[in-house]
Amino acid sequence: QLQLQESGPGLVKPSETLSLTCTVSGGSISSSSYYWGWIRQPPGKGLEWIGSIYYSGSTYYNPSLKSRVTISVDTSKNQFSLKLSSVTAADTAVYYCARQEAVAALNWFDPWGQGTLVTVSS
Amino acid sequence: SYVLTQPPSVSVAPGQTARITCGGNNIGSKSVHWYQQKPGQAPVLVVYDDSDRPSGIPERFSGSNSGNTATLTISRVEAGDEADYYCQVWDSSSDLLFGTGTKVTVL
Repeated sequence: QLQLQESGPGLVKPSETLSLTCTVSGGSISSSSYYWGWIRQPPGKGLEWIGSIYYSGSTYYNPSLKSRVTISVDTSKNQFSLKLSSVTAADTAVYYCARQEAVAALNWFDPWGQGTLVTVSS
Repeated sequence: SYVLTQPPSVSVAPGQTARITCGGNNIGSKSVHWYQQKPGQAPVLVVYDDSDRPSGIPERFSGSNSGNTATLTISRVEAGDEADYYCQVWDSSSDLLFGTGTKVTVL
């Protein structure tokens, strides 16, 4: 059964870079037909897509975050990572990673990791 | 930019039917996916490609999509269905979007 697990600092200072890693187990990140995505959810609010990556390194980013986001993949470790620069309190959220079905378009996310709360505060 | 609009809340009695709408311009031309999120948990996919169910999701969950509205229908609602529900689409110009979310309360 495929599982995803987010990891990284739970506290980041304003103006610094948020860095998270998602480790995939029970399957290969190099599987065709799948992208791997990051989604976030501020406390008490809705879901926001951050971006998605294919095992080859091809990426799609949310236009509203594109200037601050970098998503990368390490197939040797079966991991993909998120970097979000110049963070502010508005970036405080639970960050989820998920597998994304992607034949012909970026489709649904399934399964999801459990999520990790990142707080931006000095 | 493309916007997906959901009602903030839907209330339903046990055993009845809950209908959650997701409105968007010509959404019927897009594939819509639905997620259930219970408090403190990650979202779970309950319907994909408008009306298909992942394995393990009860038949009580169904979906439809036409015109400017997609709908998630939960039949014979149970207490365990109380959760937030989100629709999601891929729009070639606005990229990937989630709806605003609907809180389903079982009375």
